Amino acid sequence: QITLKESGPTLVKPTQTLTLTCRFSGFSLRTGGVSVGWIRQPPGKALEWLALIFWDDDKRYSPSLRSRLTITKDTSENQVVLTMTNLDPVDTGTYYCAHMNVYNSYVMDVWGQGTTVTVSS
Amino acid sequence: QSALTQPPSVSGSPGQSVTISCTGTSSDIGSYYRVSWYQQPPGTAPKLMIYEVSNRPSGVPDRFSGSKSGNTASLTISGLQAEDEADYYCNSFTRSGTWVFGGGTKLTVL
Repeated sequence: QITLKESGPTLVKPTQTLTLTCRFSGFSLRTGGVSVGWIRQPPGKALEWLALIFWDDDKRYSPSLRSRLTITKDTSENQVVLTMTNLDPVDTGTYYCAHMNVYNSYVMDVWGQGTTVTVSS
Repeated sequence: QSALTQPPSVSGSPGQSVTISCTGTSSDIGSYYRVSWYQQPPGTAPKLMIYEVSNRPSGVPDRFSGSKSGNTASLTISGLQAEDEADYYCNSFTRSGTWVFGGGTKLTVL
């Protein structure tokens, strides 16, 4: 059974850097085709795709946020970390991580429960 | 890349059918059969309902179906039930090698 769980600070000040961790089980990022992505959702607004890292360390970023995002993986610890710099109140929202296996389909099929981040001074 | 375009809201009575559209461009929906749909009841994480345009994951009722024509994908829910009331989001892979979501559609079951 695949599970993912996000964690990180609930409150961050503007201009600071946010570090979120996605810990997962039921799959390995050493396996060909496997990837983990991040998605966020401001309160009352739509989902927004942020970034994704593949088993071979290929990384993809949202064009609009590329300069502020870094995604890394720790294969031995079964976790993926997303870093976002220069936070602004508009970055407030729920952040999700999700599993994908591109050898099966290009779809985020299993999601974590999400972690809520508020950006405020 | 711009978000895919969905109607803000749709509604239907129990037993009826509703269709939610998702319009993109030739750089995303028009280029691939890599369109998926998610259901998100309030306060919950999104749940995958349709992938690769028209495939249903195990456990998703066959009342949910998907299709695509050109740059527009569609999700149809037949035999509406009260439990279908939720926000629905489309998602597509893009030529840039990234993914993009739609703006979301709120489904109200009257």
